[in-house]
Amino acid sequence: DAMVIQNPRYQVTQFGKPVTLSCSQTLNHNVMYWYQQKSSQAPKLLFHYYDKDFNNEADTPDNFQSRRPNTSFCFLDIRSPGLGDAAMYLCATSSEHGNEQFFGPGTRLTVL
Amino acid sequence: QKEVEQNSGPLSVPEGAIASLNCTYSDRGSQSFFWYRQYSGKSPELIMFIYSNGDKEDGRFTAQLNKASQYVSLLIRDSQPSDSATYLCAASESEKLTFGTGTRLTIIP
Repeated sequence: DAMVIQNPRYQVTQFGKPVTLSCSQTLNHNVMYWYQQKSSQAPKLLFHYYDKDFNNEADTPDNFQSRRPNTSFCFLDIRSPGLGDAAMYLCATSSEHGNEQFFGPGTRLTVL
Repeated sequence: QKEVEQNSGPLSVPEGAIASLNCTYSDRGSQSFFWYRQYSGKSPELIMFIYSNGDKEDGRFTAQLNKASQYVSLLIRDSQPSDSATYLCAASESEKLTFGTGTRLTIIP
């Protein structure tokens, strides 16, 4: 089945220790997104790729970086996680402008 | 700033009844609207999307859009306990979605 896969599902890191979250998709969608979602809040878009074009949201902290080495994979790097970065990180894909987005299962990040 | 507003709930509905979820949006340029269901601790799952004014039905779900009033709704008929979840409304102008904070729905057996 075509799908969006995120690894790991749960990630525990220490304050200030870099962490990388990964996302892969078999849908062959050209747009990939990274969201941060905290409890009882709306998903917050961090950035997205339209093909290889990177689009950063204005309020995304510099601590968050992303890489998309090919169509199928996208990575979220958190360079120095703080306690406030503990959240669910969601990867999503869509096929074109204005189309529906499909989410992966998410990675729950805990910062100690 | 683009905003999508939802009543956070909780909304409690007896099993078998109709659940009505509402959403308003601020950006008149929004063209596509989406309803996602999110179970606690899980990721959002697409339920329905709607582009045109009027109603769109899919099984027990009906999405309604009124662009003049900037209003979107989701009706769930014959509500089941498995429908208990948070429902997120989202609006899209381009490839980005603006989400509401969601309405928590509880179906009472």
